[in-house]
Amino acid sequence: AQRVTQPEKLLSVFKGAPVELKCNYSYSGSPELFWYVQYSRQRLQLLLRHISRESIKGFTADLNKGETSFHLKKPFAQEEDSAMYYCALLVLNAGNMLTFGGGTRLMVKP
Amino acid sequence: DAGVIQSPRHEVTEMGQEVTLRCKPISGHDYLFWYRQTMMRGLELLIYFNNNVPIDDSGMPEDRFSAKMPNASFSTLKIQPSEPRDSAVYFCASSPAGAGSTEAFFGQGTRLTVV
Repeated sequence: AQRVTQPEKLLSVFKGAPVELKCNYSYSGSPELFWYVQYSRQRLQLLLRHISRESIKGFTADLNKGETSFHLKKPFAQEEDSAMYYCALLVLNAGNMLTFGGGTRLMVKP
Repeated sequence: DAGVIQSPRHEVTEMGQEVTLRCKPISGHDYLFWYRQTMMRGLELLIYFNNNVPIDDSGMPEDRFSAKMPNASFSTLKIQPSEPRDSAVYFCASSPAGAGSTEAFFGQGTRLTVV
């Protein structure tokens, strides 16, 4: 069965510091991975997806199949990045079902 | 489109009472998902529907939980009887059909408190 692991429940950094939110997965098929973000009092929303190889709000994430990881990175954190971040795996041949990790709360201190 | 709409936003109920959560997906989306969010377990998929048909309900915790989707624009998640450990935020999400990387659109969630 598929599994997504986010080892850190809380990550606290100072503004301007680099950020890396870790995500590891286990899945027998070819993975499709996403990062979702939930800002305070807002709904969960897509931040980025690995196939797009895009940078959103300064965040990037590279799929490393050898390490089965999809870590989210940003070189310089901003206070407005403070939010809950979820890594998610799309299970193919199961509709569009997403399996989420436990989430990491990012706190960026001034 | 206003996005996925959930009601109520907040629900406080006494243990043993029946609770019904409601969801209106985005028009035209074929998939509907119910998730539960807790501090301890993060986001857990409870059940999902494809074209109104339940596909996978293996995440439903126990028989006290049931979900229906009578038509393409409405779904309910019912807990009967409710227990304090059911307290959580329940999210509904919908997504369009199509294999591959497809975005799921989430509702604002219903915060359920069972006292």
